Amino acid sequence: GQNIDQPTEMTATEGAIVQINCTYQTSGFNGLFWYQQHAGEAPTFLSYNVLDGLEEKGRFSSFLSRSKGYSYLLLKELQMKDSASYLCAPMDSNYQLIWGAGTKLIIKP
Amino acid sequence: GAVVSQHPSWVICKSGTSVKIECRSLDFQATTMFWYRQFPKQSLMLMATSNEGSKATYEQGVEKDKFLINHASLTLSTLTVTSAHPEDSSFYICSARADRDTEAFFGQGTRLTVV
Repeated sequence: GQNIDQPTEMTATEGAIVQINCTYQTSGFNGLFWYQQHAGEAPTFLSYNVLDGLEEKGRFSSFLSRSKGYSYLLLKELQMKDSASYLCAPMDSNYQLIWGAGTKLIIKP
Repeated sequence: GAVVSQHPSWVICKSGTSVKIECRSLDFQATTMFWYRQFPKQSLMLMATSNEGSKATYEQGVEKDKFLINHASLTLSTLTVTSAHPEDSSFYICSARADRDTEAFFGQGTRLTVV
């Protein structure tokens, strides 16, 4: 079957760095997306990795290891507005996004 | 990023009535649109995948006669919840993508409350 594993909840301090890990098992693989979802809102696109390695985009970076079925999202210089759920979504052989429950990130002052 | 517009943002309807939700890609042609439902504190649940000009592919357990999906053009898809019941109350979200290996952009979501 297809499966996503992320921590349910994480807490970090404003100004710090946090890494959200994701392991996945899919039928085939065509890249992995990270989305941010604030409570009561729709998800917004953060990053897309299809090759191994680190993709950096401002304060956010995403890493992928296809052989390990592993990705992480790294958030630097945390701000209060970063409090949200972060969704790891790999894409399977049918180009279908597979969604987990996401990681709820709580930022404390 | 690309813009996907979803309307209405929220709707309250009486039990037994039908509700139509629109999803438009404003600045790109969406070959594929997805409809999701999300209950509080739960993950996105894919309801159906819709390709322009063809019938939607529904996920197991989703009643196609109850959730009517139309994808008549490359920029518009609609979801109609027919004979709505209180248990259909949820957050419905559409997303659209131009190609199969590009990111999907989400609409703002529609909060449906059936009373």
